[in-house]
Amino acid sequence: QITLKESGPTLVKPTQTLTLTCTFSGFSLTSSGLGVGWVRQPPGKALEWLALIYWDDDKRYSPSLKSRLSVTGDTSKNQVVLRMTNVDPGDTATYFCAHKRWGYDAFDIWGQGTAVTVYS
Amino acid sequence: QSALTQPASVSGSPGQSITISCTGTSSDVGAYNFVSWYQQYPGKAPKLILYDVIYRPSGVPDRFSGSQSGNTASLTISGLQAEDEADYYCCSFTTSGTLVFGGGTKLTVL
Repeated sequence: QITLKESGPTLVKPTQTLTLTCTFSGFSLTSSGLGVGWVRQPPGKALEWLALIYWDDDKRYSPSLKSRLSVTGDTSKNQVVLRMTNVDPGDTATYFCAHKRWGYDAFDIWGQGTAVTVYS
Repeated sequence: QSALTQPASVSGSPGQSITISCTGTSSDVGAYNFVSWYQQYPGKAPKLILYDVIYRPSGVPDRFSGSQSGNTASLTISGLQAEDEADYYCCSFTTSGTLVFGGGTKLTVL
């Protein structure tokens, strides 16, 4: 059974770096074709894709946020870490991580999400 | 890349069919058959209901179906049920290997 869970700070100050961790089970990030993505959703608004890391360490980022994002995988801990620099109140959102299965061009399993508020 | 375009809201009565459109460009929706659809209830994580335009993951009722024509993909829900009332999002891979979501559609079951 595949599960994912996001963790990180609930409150962050403007200009700080936000670090979120996705801890997963039921799969290995080294398995061919797999990926883990990050998606966020500001309160009352739409989903926004942020980043995707593949089993071969290929990484893709949202063009509009690319300069502020980095994603890394730790296969020994079964974790994927997302870092977002220089946050501002517009980054207030629920952040989800999600599993991309081989053969599915989609996120088939999602974490519960973690809410982050950027406040000054 | 711009968000894919979805109607803000659609509605239908129980038993009816509704269709939600998702319009992109030749760089995303129109480039491949890589459109997916997600159902989201308030306060919950999204749930995958269709991938690669037409395929349903295990457990998703066959009342949910998808299609695509050019730069527009569509989700059709037939035999509408009260439990289908939720937000629906489309998503597509792009020619750059990135992803883009639609703005979401709120489905109301009358």
